[in-house]
Amino acid sequence: GAVVSQHPSWVICKSGTSVKIECRSLDFQATTMFWYRQFPKQSLMLMATSNEGSKATYEQGVEKDKFLINHASLTLSTLTVTSAHPEDSSFYICSARSGPVNSPLHFGNGTRLTVT
Amino acid sequence: KQEVTQIPAALSVPEGENLVLNCSFTDSAIYNLQWFRQDPGKGLTSLLLIQSSQREQTSGRLNASLDKSSGRSTLYIAASQPGDSATYLCAVSTITPSDYGGSQGNLIFGKGTKLSVKP
Repeated sequence: GAVVSQHPSWVICKSGTSVKIECRSLDFQATTMFWYRQFPKQSLMLMATSNEGSKATYEQGVEKDKFLINHASLTLSTLTVTSAHPEDSSFYICSARSGPVNSPLHFGNGTRLTVT
Repeated sequence: KQEVTQIPAALSVPEGENLVLNCSFTDSAIYNLQWFRQDPGKGLTSLLLIQSSQREQTSGRLNASLDKSSGRSTLYIAASQPGDSATYLCAVSTITPSDYGGSQGNLIFGKGTKLSVKP
């Protein structure tokens, strides 16, 4: 149980275009999802917290107008990288919680974004 | 601000050895601590989760301990195998929301220990 599906697993796009990444909880409802970013040889850094039915909260240094998050239902959150640039190339990974706040987070398999 | 440190950054051992990976964190106000495995270019595989009220968890050849008061956790791997080669990440679930409104219970990660087990 507690499967998180992330799509696509990889994407290559041209500079200036926008890319949407989907994160779905397949067998549970998630009121809160988290989006992380991982640069090569670095650890995962929290970008934002996605709350169903309300605005996402962003961490320091993360531009909310560039990384648009929509959590329209209890099973789907999307991250849109707008006007992507090569420096946005990274590994993006989402997670969701299936229970109370002290329950484990379940992670998607991540999306490798390459901006050319 | 919660910070998670993992030592060593990299470790190479011959097959069959027992080994210990270390993790420390600065704020003891945590819900739990999780150990993950990450293979190159892949997502995360959860290995063990220790709630803040627990001292250790075991799964097969893996044993994780938690000393919340001192801000330390160890992951013990017995009889290592080449298939154990991966990066191991430690992460703590925060009770205190981040200064920028991040929800309680998000994970703060260490930079990982890259393990290589030689046949």
